[in-house]
Amino acid sequence: LAKTTQPISMDSYEGQEVNITCSHNNIATNDYITWYQQFPSQGPRFIIQGYKTKVTNEVASLFIPADRKSSTLSLPRVSLSDTAVYYCLVGDIRVFNTNAGKSTFGDGTTLTVKP
Amino acid sequence: ETGVTQSPTHLIKTRGQQVTLRCSSQSGHNTVSWYQQALGQGPQFIFQYYREEENGRGNFPPRFSGLQFPNYSSELNVNALELDDSALYLCASSYPGLAGGETQYFGPGTRLLVL
Repeated sequence: LAKTTQPISMDSYEGQEVNITCSHNNIATNDYITWYQQFPSQGPRFIIQGYKTKVTNEVASLFIPADRKSSTLSLPRVSLSDTAVYYCLVGDIRVFNTNAGKSTFGDGTTLTVKP
Repeated sequence: ETGVTQSPTHLIKTRGQQVTLRCSSQSGHNTVSWYQQALGQGPQFIFQYYREEENGRGNFPPRFSGLQFPNYSSELNVNALELDDSALYLCASSYPGLAGGETQYFGPGTRLLVL
């Protein structure tokens, strides 16, 4: 199972771009990379998911190099409300995979956005 | 809102007791996963259910068991509670696909305290 490593914490200021990198050296061929945001006493909330190269949606971008051993979540122009814990999740939750559901969360990166 | 609800929101039990936590998934999501999240750590995968059958299990003892019902609801049962079982328990629902990644939608969690 892919183990993930993220920085424990990051600080930023409102309006800046924030990049959070996750290392997952033993990612498997069928694994996807998913990033979640979690506020205190709430469940994780989906941000973005990718398999390779670059994915962009309305809130973030995800960069995955060719070897897929790391990924970078990019949050453009953060605001105070982006202060949260960010998790990268590597795995294949599809039920047709014999290891279905055995996705691995890291310990997350606590992002603090300052005014 | 993810459409996933959990009950109760908080629970206090004593060591040795049994507990049942409940989750109601999004309509049409026939896959549910349960996670344990200790304070300051990322969620740890307990098990996954698909069409009412256990489809994958993490590194948790047999005293952690589950049930999934046809109406998209599910239960997590923990017997012989230990102090270390104190955590936030999260359920996440998804709909399996043959191709592409999947998104898990998390509920708000149940905070369990074992005294």
